[in-house]
Amino acid sequence: DGGITQSPKYLFRKEGQNVTLSCEQNLNHDAMYWYRQDPGQGLRLIYYSQIVNDFQKGDIAEGYSVSREKKESFPLTVTSAQKNPTAFYLCATRLTQRNYGYTFGSGTRLTVV
Amino acid sequence: KQEVTQIPAALSVPEGENLVLNCSFTDSAIYNLQWFRQDPGKGLTSLLLIQSSQREQTSGRLNASLDKSSGRSTLYIAASQPGDSATYLCAVPPISSGSARQLTFGSGTQLTVLP
Repeated sequence: DGGITQSPKYLFRKEGQNVTLSCEQNLNHDAMYWYRQDPGQGLRLIYYSQIVNDFQKGDIAEGYSVSREKKESFPLTVTSAQKNPTAFYLCATRLTQRNYGYTFGSGTRLTVV
Repeated sequence: KQEVTQIPAALSVPEGENLVLNCSFTDSAIYNLQWFRQDPGKGLTSLLLIQSSQREQTSGRLNASLDKSSGRSTLYIAASQPGDSATYLCAVPPISSGSARQLTFGSGTQLTVLP
């Protein structure tokens, strides 16, 4: 089955630690996105990538970094510079050649301990 | 800047009732509008996608309409069931976002269908 795999489902981070969230897709979609979801604030865009080896900052990129070395993969690193990382993180993809909508993964819940 | 509002924030109905969820957006220059469903602790499931040139889309008991000129969309759920209980989100990519088509989300309507 084609889809998006986000791992891990739950992640715990200690203060000052960098952690990486994985997003893998086999939909052959070219665009990939990372959103953050906080209660009462809706979803906000962190980073996005439309082609391999290129990515752009979204609305809340500070404290995060990404890479896009393969079409199928778009990992998100939450660095120690992100002061409030506890949130639900969602990865999404889109096929840019057609006017299709977005497909979302099942999410990773990150908690600072 | 595009803003998306969903009313009501929460809705509780008895099973079998027909219901309407509302979504409004401030900038009518959009590529499309997408309705999603989110269960607690889960990702988003796409329900319906309406292109900017379309007026409505239907899937099973769901019907979504789009009125770009007034900046409104509605999601109609017929014969609601307890399994429909979830948060429903609408999202639009404004044309101003260019080829990236970044989504602007509403804050959602939390629906509870009582057996």
